[in-house]
Amino acid sequence: RKEVEQDPGPFNVPEGATVAFNCTYSNSASQSFFWYRQDCRKEPKLLMSVYSSGNEDGRFTAQLNRASQYISLLIRDSKLSDSATYLCVVTGGSTLGRLYFGRGTQLTVWP
Amino acid sequence: DGGITQSPKYLFRKEGQNVTLSCEQNLNHDAMYWYRQDPGQGLRLIYYSQIVNDFQKGDIAEGYSVSREKKESFPLTVTSAQKNPTAFYLCASSELAGRGRETQYFGPGTRLLVL
Repeated sequence: RKEVEQDPGPFNVPEGATVAFNCTYSNSASQSFFWYRQDCRKEPKLLMSVYSSGNEDGRFTAQLNRASQYISLLIRDSKLSDSATYLCVVTGGSTLGRLYFGRGTQLTVWP
Repeated sequence: DGGITQSPKYLFRKEGQNVTLSCEQNLNHDAMYWYRQDPGQGLRLIYYSQIVNDFQKGDIAEGYSVSREKKESFPLTVTSAQKNPTAFYLCASSELAGRGRETQYFGPGTRLLVL
């Protein structure tokens, strides 16, 4: 079983739409959670950390459900520039600092 | 201007050749990591280092070697034993590993192609 599972998509949405991604993680001991964004042929970049109480950064909202071991990312009012692959990332295991990356969910926003 | 640099951007390897990918950071981070990404795949951990002169194998270390002689540098050597080296290689760093400090920052990557 993979540490982190994501729907690979692709999600194709029009500008202005709201889109949501989910991911599940297998290690109940995971303590920290992140969403990274990766543009085509570029490195991943931190989009936002995910806190237990949920957090919002502009048009982006992240939620964590520890009981069900899933994380979500909601993007409101999608922009063309949001087109990218979104990676769900969690810590876990006995190695401090070790991150586990999902395969990513591809999003395309069209005009 | 703080960050992580990787060189070269593209690297070509001939059969039986060892090649070394460079990774340098000036963020004063203690931990550094090497990942491999294949098309449509997630990142897989090759090696990581939490302190100078120490490093550990990740999930796919076979055919690779690393060194950590300086805090700011973590070069990766792809040896001839790695039979399928064509991939996108990403280096990352983070503060002292531990809760609240796990955020990793990535370099721009090196694309390795086998001739």
